[in-house]
Amino acid sequence: KAGVTQTPRYLIKTRGQQVTLSCSPISGHRSVSWYQQTPGQGLQFLFEYFSETQRNKGNFPGRFSGRQFSNSRSEMNVSTLELGDSALYLCASSTGSSGNTIYFGEGSWLTVV
Amino acid sequence: AQTVTQSQPEMSVQEAETVTLSCTYDTSESDYYLFWYKQPPSRQMILVIRQEAYKQQNATENRFSVNFQKAAKSFSLKISDSQLGDAAMYFCAHPNSGGSNYKLTFGKGTLLTVNP
Repeated sequence: KAGVTQTPRYLIKTRGQQVTLSCSPISGHRSVSWYQQTPGQGLQFLFEYFSETQRNKGNFPGRFSGRQFSNSRSEMNVSTLELGDSALYLCASSTGSSGNTIYFGEGSWLTVV
Repeated sequence: AQTVTQSQPEMSVQEAETVTLSCTYDTSESDYYLFWYKQPPSRQMILVIRQEAYKQQNATENRFSVNFQKAAKSFSLKISDSQLGDAAMYFCAHPNSGGSNYKLTFGKGTLLTVNP
């Protein structure tokens, strides 16, 4: 069974640009969540989608958005990039039921210059 | 707000020895889950072990075991017979309230070095 797949793995963007990251969950998983990991702030929850609906959102500005498609694949978008958005963005999937384990992808490394 | 605290930023252990990583958490829930994740240099988060709070028995997975003290809100990870491949950042994580697991609160992590 394939794991959580994230694309692209590495990217470099310029301040002010926007970026879209993609995540394909494990087959059968309907919940996809996103986390930002930085050396200073650690791992922070961005948002979670279940059956195309955002169920929860972390404390991030509106420049961070996401969506989920009917096949459970998810994208997150960051507009008007800032230097501080440089981070590892981790996608995770689960069945969405209580008690189920969350599985993570390898992450997308975003560098903003 | 839920918090997870890992008080040891770094730990080191000799190969084949045992090491314990500490974690404390805060929650108002009575039924919940706790997780330890490992993040090697590849940066992929890998589940090491999970504990269900309503279970009295401490979880074990091969060389990995936990010491879960519910009243003290403590959840430490013991790695026995440490191997070079165990070297990684280890994160303790607790799901958001309500028992759902779609939002994890992570500790700051403990960087484990294994010396040959």
